[in-house]
Amino acid sequence: QKEVEQNSGPLSVPEGAIASLNCTYSDRGSQSFFWYRQYSGKSPELIMFIYSNGDKEDGRFTAQLNKASQYVSLLIRDSQPSDSATYLCAVKEGSNDYKLSFGAGTTVTVRA
Amino acid sequence: GAVVSQHPSRVICKSGTSVKIECRSLDFQATTMFWYRQFPKQSLMLMATSNEGSKATYEQGVEKDKFLINHASLTLSTLTVTSAHPEDSSFYICSARANLGRGLRNEQFFGPGTRLTVL
Repeated sequence: QKEVEQNSGPLSVPEGAIASLNCTYSDRGSQSFFWYRQYSGKSPELIMFIYSNGDKEDGRFTAQLNKASQYVSLLIRDSQPSDSATYLCAVKEGSNDYKLSFGAGTTVTVRA
Repeated sequence: GAVVSQHPSRVICKSGTSVKIECRSLDFQATTMFWYRQFPKQSLMLMATSNEGSKATYEQGVEKDKFLINHASLTLSTLTVTSAHPEDSSFYICSARANLGRGLRNEQFFGPGTRLTVL
């Protein structure tokens, strides 16, 4: 599996603030990028995917991709206590259309 | 749509026994399923890729004789942990690849996971 790096956190933000999560990846051929949210003891759930350079917005979530810098980020606006979870960055390997490589995850805590 | 189930959700077994975990795609056909393992505070590690009707492809370092994978149909894959030991205790998660034609490009959908504890 290729390398996917994330800051482990924890990232603590006050309610209503913006949480910013970063992810870098090593496989320059990667084309598909995903953000999963994982609550403690649960399996991951997909919250965002992005394929093209630039920004993609979905509700309070914005994913940003810069393939030249091999960097993908996730912004959570108006953070809520229910956003407290571990966020996993996943990259679909360029040489294999199916396999995902996961980062270690960033734990986010939203303070009420 | 795109619901994946796992059974059991939690299992406790004695060292040396075998445990079977089932992964089912409930409302779609999955030609490819993936098995992951996650230790506490760590990320998901892919164990193997399972294709319907063929042998599973194991990741480096994963013992194929210990972790038996069977993908007998387009909706069911099973993982059997043989002769389980305490170090096999982990959270096992399956995912299924679905082509839903909604811009998801063969996205993976995850099951709820199985917590295995080997005493």
